Amino acid sequence: DGGITQSPKYLFRKEGQNVTLSCEQNLNHDAMYWYRQDPGQGLRLIYYSQIVNDFQKGDIAEGYSVSREKKESFPLTVTSAQKNPTAFYLCASSEAGGSTDTQYFGPGTRLTVL
Amino acid sequence: AQSVTQPDIHITVSEGASLELRCNYSYGATPYLFWYVQSPGQGLQLLLKYFSGDTLVQGIKGFEAEFKRSQSSFNLRKPSVHWSDAAEYFCAVPSMDTGRRALTFGSGTRLQVQP
Repeated sequence: DGGITQSPKYLFRKEGQNVTLSCEQNLNHDAMYWYRQDPGQGLRLIYYSQIVNDFQKGDIAEGYSVSREKKESFPLTVTSAQKNPTAFYLCASSEAGGSTDTQYFGPGTRLTVL
Repeated sequence: AQSVTQPDIHITVSEGASLELRCNYSYGATPYLFWYVQSPGQGLQLLLKYFSGDTLVQGIKGFEAEFKRSQSSFNLRKPSVHWSDAAEYFCAVPSMDTGRRALTFGSGTRLQVQP
């Protein structure tokens, strides 16, 4: 089945540590996205990528980094510079990143800072 | 800049009752509009989307939405709610800040269904 997988489902981090969230898609989509979800705030865009080896900052990129070395993969690193990283992280992809494209979402990773 | 407002944080309806979830937008161009649904602890699934043409849009799971330009609204409706509809619902528009490549979401409406 085609879809988006995110791992791990739950992640615990100690303060000062970097952690990497995995996102893989087998939909052959060009565009991929990372959103952060906090209660009562909807989803906010962290980074997006329209094509391999290219990505752009979203609204809340500070303290995060990404790479797009392969079409199917778009990992997100939460660095120690992110002051409040506890949240639910959602990865999405769309066929070409156009304004009318449907975004397909993975099941999410819940990150908790201990 | 664009914005999406969902005025109702939480709505409770009885099973079998009708449902309307409100969405108001502010957009500097012709809006494209989306409704997504999220079950607890899960990702989002597209319910329906509007680009142009008929202002009444049909989606999955028996949902529909009506685009009203004069009211800057795109309300989601369902004539008879089922217990499985309990979830969080998000309205979204393409983000002008990203050249319409990503989405700007409302803060969501959580739907609770009473038996």
